[in-house]
Amino acid sequence: ELKVEQNPLFLSMQEGKNYTIYCNYSTTSDRLYWYRQDPGKSLESLFVLLSNGAVKQEGRLMASLDTKARLSTLHITAAVHDLSATYFCAPREAGNEKLTFGTGTRLTIIP
Amino acid sequence: ETGVTQTPRHLVMGMTNKKSLKCEQHLGHNAMYWYKQSAKKPLELMFVYSLEERVENNSVPSRFSPECPNSSHLFLHLHTLQPEDSALYLCASSPDIEETQYFGPGTRLLVL
Repeated sequence: ELKVEQNPLFLSMQEGKNYTIYCNYSTTSDRLYWYRQDPGKSLESLFVLLSNGAVKQEGRLMASLDTKARLSTLHITAAVHDLSATYFCAPREAGNEKLTFGTGTRLTIIP
Repeated sequence: ETGVTQTPRHLVMGMTNKKSLKCEQHLGHNAMYWYKQSAKKPLELMFVYSLEERVENNSVPSRFSPECPNSSHLFLHLHTLQPEDSALYLCASSPDIEETQYFGPGTRLLVL
């Protein structure tokens, strides 16, 4: 069974700073998703990473995937307040339709 | 507007009640999903439907009963729930089972 560990679980950072959220998973995965959830809202798809070494960027967020290390990172550059949300990674186990979600990282950007 | 709608948005029910959650997607997708999101626990997949056929049943108690009458609609029928079933129930859809899932706003359920 695929297990997913995200860290940190909680992160407070000042505006303008950089930080990285880590997503480790336990078995072979053929794709990995990152989602964002605002308080009281649903999940919004951010990225899908399909292969080893994949890197995707959207604004101040950049996601990467290392399938050999079974690690994905979500890097935040020069954080701004509206990035405050909970971020989830969700790898899909190879050969399985099911996504397994991490516990989420609750990010708070402090002005 | 995600194209995936859920009703009701909030529901309070007693343990002896029967209720249904409804999900509708206007995206032409072929796969639909039910997830449970509880406080302090990861999002849990409950059911997956692809082309109206159930393809995943994640050891969900029988007091939860899904129904997919067509590719645009998904229901979750609830009966004799327990207080620990209180959670946010999220519906999602995707073009096909391997593709990015788009989530609805959720139904926040409280079981008394």
